[in-house]
Amino acid sequence: AQSVSQHNHHVILSEAASLELGCNYSYGGTVNLFWYVQYPGQHLQLLLKYFSGDPLVKGIKGFEAEFIKSKFSFNLRKPSVQWSDTAEYFCAVANNAGNMLTFGGGTRLMVKP
Amino acid sequence: DGGITQSPKYLFRKEGQNVTLSCEQNLNHDAMYWYRQDPGQGLRLIYYSQIVNDFQKGDIAEGYSVSREKKESFPLTVTSAQKNPTAFYLCASSMQQGWSGELFFGEGSRLTVL
Repeated sequence: AQSVSQHNHHVILSEAASLELGCNYSYGGTVNLFWYVQYPGQHLQLLLKYFSGDPLVKGIKGFEAEFIKSKFSFNLRKPSVQWSDTAEYFCAVANNAGNMLTFGGGTRLMVKP
Repeated sequence: DGGITQSPKYLFRKEGQNVTLSCEQNLNHDAMYWYRQDPGQGLRLIYYSQIVNDFQKGDIAEGYSVSREKKESFPLTVTSAQKNPTAFYLCASSMQQGWSGELFFGEGSRLTVL
């Protein structure tokens, strides 16, 4: 069975600070990787995804993530966060056999203005 | 607007009672899902359905039941057998063919057992 670990449960940053949220997964085969975001009071929505190709993927709002196969990692980054990035972020993985996602425990990010 | 509608948003229940959470989508998606969200545990899959009249158990199906009589609807019943039902429940849907990896989520239903 596949699993996903997000190491940081809560992160507090000041505006303009750089962000990196860790995500590691366990699965022996080919995987598809995702980051979802839940802004306060809003639906959970897709931030970015990796299926194949360039391991550095870019998503909405200046976010990017890098897939490092040897480390089973898919960390989320943003060079300079804004107050509006305050949200909960979820890493997720799907094996290529189906269309189900396994989610990590989530990371709550608070950006102080 | 196209989307997923969950109702009710908030629900209180006494121990021993069954409750049913509604999920309706007008996105013409084939697949629908129910997740449970608990603090620090992320989203855990309860049940999913890839086609009408068919559904499969997810990781934490015990104490829950579902039906999929129509493509648009995927109600979840939290039975009295569910030992810790207080949680936030999320319904989602996705296209079946050519799946992009994107799930579309509803706003969620918060169930509290008194």
